[in-house]
Amino acid sequence: EAEVAQSPRYKITEKSQAVAFWCDPISGHATLYWYRQILGQGPELLVQFQDESVVDDSQLPKDRFSAERLKGVDSTLKIQPAELGDSAMYLCASSLEGREQYFGPGTRLTVT
Amino acid sequence: DAKTTQPPSMDCAEGRAANLPCNHSTISGNEYVYWYRQIHSQGPQYIIHGLKNNETNEMASLIITEDRKSSTLILPHATLRDTAVYYCIVRPRNQFYFGTGTSLTVIP
Repeated sequence: EAEVAQSPRYKITEKSQAVAFWCDPISGHATLYWYRQILGQGPELLVQFQDESVVDDSQLPKDRFSAERLKGVDSTLKIQPAELGDSAMYLCASSLEGREQYFGPGTRLTVT
Repeated sequence: DAKTTQPPSMDCAEGRAANLPCNHSTISGNEYVYWYRQIHSQGPQYIIHGLKNNETNEMASLIITEDRKSSTLILPHATLRDTAVYYCIVRPRNQFYFGTGTSLTVIP
């Protein structure tokens, strides 16, 4: 069964450093999502792509976060500089347009 | 966007049916009800979705009231592996507001 791949699974970084996460969606899924999940809360949408275009980044802290999906397939989410409050699980999901989302295993980020 | 209300936690005996309620009193006519679950430290897993009619798949059944203001997810024979946080989500398109969900504990 096809799965969403994410790497790394765990990342520890120091405050003010740059960090990047990678996501490879299920083949053929044009829609890709990045979520952030703080411990004890539900996932919160950061950015949504349709192919290579951003369709919703209203909750993305654009002063330090950036996301790209240059060829409309895999995607990278970057944080620069990282802050202590960025410690969370970063989840990637993909879907066919208008259909249910399938999530990857996530990247657990710890900022020290 | 319609928001949902779920109990924060529930227990269920292993082998019994788990019935997880969700209120969505402000749901609009074109909004689907989706259910996901998240086992500890994993990504959320899609379970089932519906618009008006009751739905069933290999994982669960979804019962939506006639006025669509509430729904119930039914796990017919709960196992220990069903222990997870269950999210009820209502959105017109494939964009989700997860909330805090219901933490279901299946007890041996």
